[in-house]
Amino acid sequence: SQTIHQWPATLVQPVGSPLSLECTVEGTSNPNLYWYRQAAGRGLQLLFYSVGIGQISSEVPQNLSASRPQDRQFILSSKKLLLSDSGFYLCAWTPGLGAYEQYFGPGTRLTVT
Amino acid sequence: KQEVTQIPAALSVPEGENLVLNCSFTDSAIYNLQWFRQDPGKGLTSLLLIQSSQREQTSGRLNASLDKSSGRSTLYIAASQPGDSATYLCAVTGFQKLVFGTGTRLLVSP
Repeated sequence: SQTIHQWPATLVQPVGSPLSLECTVEGTSNPNLYWYRQAAGRGLQLLFYSVGIGQISSEVPQNLSASRPQDRQFILSSKKLLLSDSGFYLCAWTPGLGAYEQYFGPGTRLTVT
Repeated sequence: KQEVTQIPAALSVPEGENLVLNCSFTDSAIYNLQWFRQDPGKGLTSLLLIQSSQREQTSGRLNASLDKSSGRSTLYIAASQPGDSATYLCAVTGFQKLVFGTGTRLLVSP
């Protein structure tokens, strides 16, 4: 069966510090991968998605970047965090484009102080 | 641009009641519609997936319907239980991504 992992589970970082969140999927190959952010009191916002190694699509211009160095690894990064980057970050995957069910990881709670 | 709206934003019911959560979307060109459950501080758990060619899906006490032409979906929960308390999100799938509603926060009291 497929499993999706995210770490760390929680993170408290000062403004201006770098960020690296990792997501890995087990039990499948060539998944489509997604990063979402859920800010307090707001809906789920798609940040990036990837259909293959090195292929990243950005949905919202912002202080963050994403990379996919391996087939089942998706990394969310920032060089300098802002207060507005605080939120709950969720990684998700699907077997392919279009009509497939999307599965979510447990999330990372990021607090920027 | 696809927009997804969920009504009501919050709902409080006594245990045992049947209830309906509503989801509406503006663009009927979707691949599927998915209902999720989110517990506080947790990730999303998929409840039901309805393909665009389907009218409804059932899983246990949950039944979801889809009317593409009117841009609406409903999630019906039968005989609600305190364990059903959570936020329920609907999401519609375009070619490469999902668009989420803002959710309905459900509280079922014993």
